[in-house]
Amino acid sequence: AQSVTQLDSHVSVSEGTPVLLRCNYSSSYSPSLFWYVQHPNKGLQLLLKYTSAATLVKGINGFEAEFKKSETSFHLTKPSAHMSDAAEYFCVVSDLETLGRLYFGRGTQLTVWP
Amino acid sequence: NAGVMQNPRHLVRRRGQEARLRCSPMKGHSHVYWYRQLPEEGLKFMVYLQKENIIDESGMPKERFSAEFPKEGPSILRIQQVVRGDSAAYFCASSPTGDSNQPQHFGDGTRLSIL
Repeated sequence: AQSVTQLDSHVSVSEGTPVLLRCNYSSSYSPSLFWYVQHPNKGLQLLLKYTSAATLVKGINGFEAEFKKSETSFHLTKPSAHMSDAAEYFCVVSDLETLGRLYFGRGTQLTVWP
Repeated sequence: NAGVMQNPRHLVRRRGQEARLRCSPMKGHSHVYWYRQLPEEGLKFMVYLQKENIIDESGMPKERFSAEFPKEGPSILRIQQVVRGDSAAYFCASSPTGDSNQPQHFGDGTRLSIL
C-alpha cells in the first residue's frame, strides 16, 4: 500500500535561512515521488520529481530533494528562503500499483518571516 | 498557454441541487484525474478517466457522484443531490500518458460551497 507522511504540518523560517520540509513514504514498488506547491486559491504546481534516476533531484525556484531508500524519505530543502516561498507544500507518491493515481501527504504550511 | 482549465472557479449550490464541474485537460493529454481537497486535509484521489473510459473509480463515493470524459468536450464531475459534506475544492489533473512516473498537471480547482 502507498502512503505519505509529512512530519510537520507547519514550518516557519526567516527570510534567507534554510528550509527543510520532511516527508516519509511507503510504497510496494519502486516509487515515483513528487513535491507540489499550492499557493492560496490556486492549483498545484510541480516543484520536482524523482523517478529512479539520480537520488538528488533539483527543482524549480532553488528547491531540491534527496531520495533515501534506506530511510524511505524524500525531504525537500532550499538553502535560502524567500518571502514568495510561503505556501503549502505536498509530498506525493505513485507507483506501478497505483495506475497513475497520486497519494498525497497532508501538506506542510510554510511561513516565511521578513 | 493552454494549461488545465477548470470551470467554474467557484460554485454555490443549495442542498439537494446538482453540481457540475468541468475540466479541459492540457493539449495532447488524454488522461484525466479528479481529486478532492477537504478542509485541513490533503488531496484525495477520486477517479481516473481516459477518453470515453473510466479506468479507476476506486476513490469515488458510491452514490451521487459520477464522472465522464466524452470523445469531444471536457471531462465532467457530476454530484447529484449535494449535501453540506460535499463542500470542498475539486481539482482536475491531466497527463499525456497514464504512467506513474509522469507528473500530473493541475488546474486551479473548483471551490464548491453548499448552503
